[in-house]
Amino acid sequence: DTGVSQDPRHKITKRGQNVTFRCDPISEHNRLYWYRQTLGQGPEFLTYFQNEAQLEKSRLLSDRFSAERPKGSFSTLEIQRTEQGDSAMYLCASSRGTAQETQYFGPGTRLLVL
Amino acid sequence: GDSVTQMEGPVTLSEEAFLTINCTYTATGYPSLFWYVQYPGEGLQLLLKATKADDKGSNKGFEATYRKETTSFHLEKGSVQVSDSAVYFCAPLDSSYKLIFGSGTRLLVRP
Repeated sequence: DTGVSQDPRHKITKRGQNVTFRCDPISEHNRLYWYRQTLGQGPEFLTYFQNEAQLEKSRLLSDRFSAERPKGSFSTLEIQRTEQGDSAMYLCASSRGTAQETQYFGPGTRLLVL
Repeated sequence: GDSVTQMEGPVTLSEEAFLTINCTYTATGYPSLFWYVQYPGEGLQLLLKATKADDKGSNKGFEATYRKETTSFHLEKGSVQVSDSAVYFCAPLDSSYKLIFGSGTRLLVRP
């Protein structure tokens, strides 16, 4: 396993701009999760996919956020019209899709909205 | 909804001291329980897990036992090292497969 990778690792943007993050899960992992972590806090769930289907979205995920996982492989998370409150670490994780299994996390994308 | 409470940090210990980080949770049913660790500048790594009552997870000298009766999953290590300095997160896996994280406990081990 090469591990979960995320790109970019860091992103600085101006308020109102759109940003897109990419996550490549461990190969053959069919569940993919997005979490958000603000400074000094634990990660909070945003959304998850089983293959290409988005199965659950947190109420934290406003209409400005959209996530996709075309073909059930990599995933993208887009934030439109960014706000300063969107500044956080965005974490991606993947798992095989069996019950009780471990989620493996990527290094995260740190977003700073000026 | 499901939730988790961890002891607040920072926890500051001298090298070779005994470590306990308390974790209690509320959840529907009997979720799998995880401890993740975040070293400075790095992502979350799985430290250990337990999937059913009375299971003991262990790794790198750390241990935690799934206590159903007290809904707890306290992390322990008999002798900490400077390299254990990190933030530790307790997280049950809820019924829809998402991890519910606590606020984390920062551990600082001094030589």
